[in-house]
Amino acid sequence: DAGVTQSPTHLIKTRGQQVTLRCSPKSGHDTVSWYQQALGQGPQFIFQYYEEEERQRGNFPDRFSGHQFPNYSSELNVNALLLGDSALYLCASSFIAGQGGGGYTFGSGTRLTVV
Amino acid sequence: GQQVMQIPQYQHVQEGEDFTTYCNSSTTLSNIQWYKQRPGGHPVFLIQLVKSGEVKKQKRLTFQFGEAKKNSSLHITATQTTDVGTYFCAGPGGSQGNLIFGKGTKLSVKP
Repeated sequence: DAGVTQSPTHLIKTRGQQVTLRCSPKSGHDTVSWYQQALGQGPQFIFQYYEEEERQRGNFPDRFSGHQFPNYSSELNVNALLLGDSALYLCASSFIAGQGGGGYTFGSGTRLTVV
Repeated sequence: GQQVMQIPQYQHVQEGEDFTTYCNSSTTLSNIQWYKQRPGGHPVFLIQLVKSGEVKKQKRLTFQFGEAKKNSSLHITATQTTDVGTYFCAGPGGSQGNLIFGKGTKLSVKP
């Protein structure tokens, strides 16, 4: 239905490893934002990509990096994984960085477990 | 930095009772959005409020934006078991449009 697609759905990694999460935005959307959601908490903003550039960044270390491709899809990379990185990672797409109205459309998320 | 706070954190109601969650921002907001996340699911956009004092209704849900554009509320009339989930408010975190979410109010409904 051309909603937001994230892969993989679940992932288990070992401390110190690196991980790449992928997101395809909703058809017609040009902006991708990434959020981290710990259990029982609200989504925490990681960064936002628009026109293949990082427009804004939340309070996350440089271990978190991303990329947006010409087709608007995006990747989130996390290096040197820590146990505390275990969370649900949500990708949200929008039009004109959310200023086009209509809110964000979230994907189902990637559940990352670091052991 | 900007903060968005929600109360209560949890609310348990009997089916048919009303429910209200409140959202307060540390700064004036250009708009506020509300999302619902079902257990095990992802946030789903409900509505966006833009104008001072704005009130919008969606069936049994009533959303309000405060006159000072720093607070908002969501009221559900006669809750049903399908209303179960966590309700989040979110406001713009800067000029670039990213959203800052509150911690949410988790609603449980006893049949």
